[in-house]
Amino acid sequence: DAEITQSPRHKITETGRQVTLACHQTWNHNNMFWYRQDLGHGLRLIHYSYGVQDTNKGEVSDGYSVSRSNTEDLPLTLESAASSQTSVYFCASSESTGHGYTFGSGTRLTVV
Amino acid sequence: AQSVTQLDSQVPVFEEAPVELRCNYSSSVSVYLFWYVQYPNQGLQLLLKYLSGSTLVKGINGFEAEFNKSQTSFHLRKPSVHISDTAEYFCAVTRRGAGNKLTFGGGTRVLVKP
Repeated sequence: DAEITQSPRHKITETGRQVTLACHQTWNHNNMFWYRQDLGHGLRLIHYSYGVQDTNKGEVSDGYSVSRSNTEDLPLTLESAASSQTSVYFCASSESTGHGYTFGSGTRLTVV
Repeated sequence: AQSVTQLDSQVPVFEEAPVELRCNYSSSVSVYLFWYVQYPNQGLQLLLKYLSGSTLVKGINGFEAEFNKSQTSFHLRKPSVHISDTAEYFCAVTRRGAGNKLTFGGGTRVLVKP
């Protein structure tokens, strides 16, 4: 069965370190998204991609970057982790507009 | 830019009672609307969506939602809840023809009591 997987599920890192969160989907979806979930804010869009070599900034992109070298993967990198980036991160993919998203199980990141 | 407001952050409800979760959105153009559910320590799952046509949309697990264009609302309802419906529910919107980015509301936590 097709799926979307995120790794790791939990991570603790120190302030200032570079961290990469992985997202891998086997749905063959062109559209992929990264959101962060914080209490009281719902989900906020960090970055998104509509295909290989395409990446775009979302509403909370400062301090984050992504790259899309193939259809299956959209890794999210925190260039220099900050305590404000402690959050739960969700990756999602979608076939096209109107189809809704398929979400991964999330990565809980703690920056100490 | 569009926004989504979920008017209740928490909704306690007794088992077998009805529940309504309110969602209002702001957009001057046509939109697609979604409701997602998140069970504890899991990702989000699609409950239902409105793209066009009938304004009453039926989803999984006995949920339904009604699109009201004049009131820019998309409220979610279930006539009789179960303990297993305890979860957080998110309303989301995307503009037609503007890619596939979803804007989410802040979420409503439903606690079903026995």
